[in-house]
This record gives sequence, C-alpha cells and structure tokens, in this order.
Amino acid sequence: GAGVSQSPSNKVTEKGKDVELRCDPISGHTALYWYRQSLGQGLEFLIYFQGNSAPDKSGLPSDRFSAERTGGSVSTLTIQRTQQEDSAVYLCASSLARVTGDEQFFGPGTRLTVL
Amino acid sequence: GNSVTQMEGPVTLSEEAFLTINCTYTATGYPSLFWYVQYPGEGLQLLLKATKADDKGSNKGFEATYRKETTSFHLEKGSVQVSDSAVYFCALPKGNSGGSNYKLTFGKGTLLTVNP
Repeated sequence: GAGVSQSPSNKVTEKGKDVELRCDPISGHTALYWYRQSLGQGLEFLIYFQGNSAPDKSGLPSDRFSAERTGGSVSTLTIQRTQQEDSAVYLCASSLARVTGDEQFFGPGTRLTVL
Repeated sequence: GNSVTQMEGPVTLSEEAFLTINCTYTATGYPSLFWYVQYPGEGLQLLLKATKADDKGSNKGFEATYRKETTSFHLEKGSVQVSDSAVYFCALPKGNSGGSNYKLTFGKGTLLTVNP
C-alpha cells in the first residue's frame, strides 16, 4: 500500500499567521509521530500518538504548537502565530506498535518557511 | 535519556572507496540502534538496525555492528556508489522504559557525497 503522505509539501507563510500540516499514516499503523528537522537543531521529536491519544507531548516547543489525530488515522499539526524560528521541515512517521526496534516509516515532510 | 554522537562530515569520496561513518551512543541498558538515510528530496528511510548487543545489521551493502564494549554502531560500506550520496543519521530510542522507548533521538546527520 501507500507510504506515509504529508501535505502540503511546501508552505510559505507570514509571521503571525496560523498553519496546519497534515499527515496520513500507513493504514493500520497505530502509532504516529511528529518530528522537526532544522539546520540548527537537527531532528527533534515533537509528539507521539497511540491511536487518537497523545501520551507524550513533551517535544512541542511552545503552547503555539498543538496536534490532534482522528479516527486513529489522519493527524494535523497546528502552529499558531507562526514565528521565523518555526521554519523547518516537519516530518511525520508511523509504526505498527510501540515496540522497541519497531521501524518507523517517514513521510516526505512539509517544508515550512515563515517570512 | 539516551543520546547519540555522530561524525558530522561532510564526507566526500570517490566511487568504490571504503566508507566509515562513526556513531557512538550513551544509553541505559541495550536499546535497539538504527541507521536512517535521507536521499536528496526524499524522506527518511530505515537503512538498517540492530536490536541487541553484538548484532550486525546489513542492507544494500552497508553494515553496522552493535558493539557494547565501545558503545558504538559505526556504519561501513566496502565500495560506495554515486547513488549512495545522501545524509545518514544514527538513532536510538530516547529511553528504555516508561513509555519513552518509542521516540527516537537522532545524531546530527552526515552528508555523504560520492563522486564518479
């Protein structure tokens, strides 16, 4: 079947605007992850979903960031009042279960540029 | 939590040269270790993994051995190709228990360029 898909692939926005990033995981994968990839910080974990609940939001950098997942499938990452330091590639991944050694499958990412 | 230190590069090699990218880790216990690869314009994909000490992961001619004595998981390939040009990331779970064994912590990434 299809891999993890993300939309949009690129997003340019003005400082202060809100943005929504979407992730469609692999069908049947119960776990979903958001990461951020930026030049200065490398790859950072943001949030993890098991089903529709998010037991770990510890990586969200501020309260401007939120995420939800519905139907155990699609997830949306929302950034409110965007700042220039939010510019990065946002990666989504999914996996079958929370087992150590379980492979995470990554999407192509959304490149966010805040002007 | 667990952490990883990776040779940052960039690394530039000629085709058919030998490749080593160093990765060392700090961890409680013996978590699984991973190498991910990101080809130009694409997302991350798992290259290989090792789930316990002394295991060797291998794929596409790449190998890495989980060495607990030196806390290392160096990536090697005997003869690189132009198509291997990519960014390589070493990774491991951020923790070993309490629900933190799912989120990955990554090295900074190593850019490999292979010239014909």
